[in-house]
Amino acid sequence: KNEVEQSPQNLTAQEGEFITINCSYSVGISALHWLQQHPGGGIVSLFMLSSGKKKHGRLIATINIQEKHSSLHITASHPRDSAVYICAAPRYSGGSNYKLTFGKGTLLTVNP
Amino acid sequence: GAVVSQHPSWVICKSGTSVKIECRSLDFQATTMFWYRQFPKQSLMLMATSNEGSKATYEQGVEKDKFLINHASLTLSTLTVTSAHPEDSSFYICSARRLAGVSEQFFGPGTRLTVL
Repeated sequence: KNEVEQSPQNLTAQEGEFITINCSYSVGISALHWLQQHPGGGIVSLFMLSSGKKKHGRLIATINIQEKHSSLHITASHPRDSAVYICAAPRYSGGSNYKLTFGKGTLLTVNP
Repeated sequence: GAVVSQHPSWVICKSGTSVKIECRSLDFQATTMFWYRQFPKQSLMLMATSNEGSKATYEQGVEKDKFLINHASLTLSTLTVTSAHPEDSSFYICSARRLAGVSEQFFGPGTRLTVL
């Protein structure tokens, strides 16, 4: 079992739909990252959150540390939101270092 | 926001040559930089963690002599793929962290390496 599990693996939506991507993790962490990777490959850090909810534009991320579960929501989805969304959990690796354990990603396609 | 650049964005080289990839944090000082590689349709795989002024920590299975990492300053880390072979062809991504501990990582745009 992967330490970080995402669902769904693939998601197709129509423009304007509300999108939810889920992430469950089994490693002990204090925060979770949500990343976006566009077809060109570049990765953008969307959120790092350790509790509650964060909002940035049409993106909302929530986390429940006790249940080890996080969700990424996209409101009023748009074709430009089409990308791979990745959740990642930091694991302590000694000293002051933390390594990210990545989910396999969710490929989102938003059709016009 | 914090910006991380990589150079070059893509490179094609002949088998047996060495390739250097630079990773720079443009508007902040990075205590730690990370190097990842990603094969098509797969997750990022951490290759090594590098702290400025000290030797990089390599992940199990990553050859130190093949993937040389130099983190000479708080804004620059380099990855050199020595004696590259076609199986080294991949997408290499760096990230930089401003603060120690659990803090946000900022990712570079990646470098696509193709070894002929």
